[in-house]
Amino acid sequence: GESVGLHLPTLSVQEGDNSIINCAYSNSASDYFIWYKQESGKGPQFIIDIRSNMDKRQGQRVTVLLNKTVKHLSLQIAATQPGDSAVYFCADQGADAGNMLTFGGGTRLMVKP
Amino acid sequence: DAGVIQSPRHEVTEMGQEVTLRCKPISGHNSLFWYRQTMMRGLELLIYFNNNVPIDDSGMPEDRFSAKMPNASFSTLKIQPSEPRDSAVYFCASSTRLGGLSEQYFGPGTRLTVT
Repeated sequence: GESVGLHLPTLSVQEGDNSIINCAYSNSASDYFIWYKQESGKGPQFIIDIRSNMDKRQGQRVTVLLNKTVKHLSLQIAATQPGDSAVYFCADQGADAGNMLTFGGGTRLMVKP
Repeated sequence: DAGVIQSPRHEVTEMGQEVTLRCKPISGHNSLFWYRQTMMRGLELLIYFNNNVPIDDSGMPEDRFSAKMPNASFSTLKIQPSEPRDSAVYFCASSTRLGGLSEQYFGPGTRLTVT
């Protein structure tokens, strides 16, 4: 059959608004979660992480929420800026996975000035 | 801290040629990862080394791909012979496992185009 390209979900927000990017993971044994930001032409960059014994962690303008019951992770960006425009990936790691991370498919965030 | 260093940043080659991508991990990191990113398949883990030893190469597409890590500060990913479908951005990442947590630091990537 015909193959199709990876369709990235896109979130479009107005500058200054808050953004929420969601991610679902499948491994109930995962105990560490990371959000990465990838700008065009660059490698993924670490934003924030959270351990499984926490349900919320805050950084500068970013907050990660973890709901282990439904295996859901979200990234909240406050007062979104044009420089936040990028593709955002969540990744998880299980205790039995060595140093390997499992990456989600990514969400494209577009910030309108 | 120079971060993960990859070379070349861009490579254009003809089908059938050998391609070698290079990576220098962050000093002190004991794990190194090679990823491939395409629009079709997203970010895929190809192979993972721990203390210079290949741990998991199940993501390597086929025998045309090989990776080595002769020492803690250098790794190569080789494609021989290259094919147009190998065109992608190849990332190297490194990490150090502390207390069971291991954030990975990515290099800038090598954009490979095979014509």
